Amino acid sequence: GDSVTQMEGPVTLSEEAFLTINCTYTATGYPSLFWYVQYPGEGLQLLLKATKADDKGSNKGFEATYRKETTSFHLEKGSVQVSDSAVYFCALSDRKNTGFQKLVFGTGTRLLVSP
Amino acid sequence: DGGITQSPKYLFRKEGQNVTLSCEQNLNHDAMYWYRQDPGQGLRLIYYSQIVNDFQKGDIAEGYSVSREKKESFPLTVTSAQKNPTAFYLCASSRPSGAYNEQFFGPGTRLTVL
Repeated sequence: GDSVTQMEGPVTLSEEAFLTINCTYTATGYPSLFWYVQYPGEGLQLLLKATKADDKGSNKGFEATYRKETTSFHLEKGSVQVSDSAVYFCALSDRKNTGFQKLVFGTGTRLLVSP
Repeated sequence: DGGITQSPKYLFRKEGQNVTLSCEQNLNHDAMYWYRQDPGQGLRLIYYSQIVNDFQKGDIAEGYSVSREKKESFPLTVTSAQKNPTAFYLCASSRPSGAYNEQFFGPGTRLTVL
């Protein structure tokens, strides 16, 4: 079945460092790809998404490009802030024949940014 | 503001008891979902509903039950048959389901079995 693999954390960075969180996927069709962020004690918020190959999703300085040839959707940010400390989830949508959008999540990567 | 509310934020249950987690949305979304989150794991789908009065089992439905009598509400009952219910439970909703529609999440309920 479809699956998402993320790099294990925690990722520990100093403020203003460059961030990369790797995400690769396995899917039989042409999924949409998402990055969600979860701040401590809260639910998930959509950070960005890409719906087809070569699309780039971006939001709040974060970017990720849908790479079909490498089945990847790596999250990047040029300069992280302490407020970016959170858990980041990569996910794909698997649209079944019925049209139901099932989200398949990676295990999450915790990011810790120190001043 | 539109959004999803879940209550309570923290819930404690004794073994052998059923408990019901509330989920309400005012986004006018047709589809709603329940996920379970355990440390070191991603989210796993418990149940989903695409329309009122209809719901389907997800990947880990055993020991859980749901109802969808109103568009706005999708309560989850954790029954005594659930062997390991301690977890963080997240409710989500989306527009008429489709691959490009994002899911909006509530703040979650943390259930602890004593």
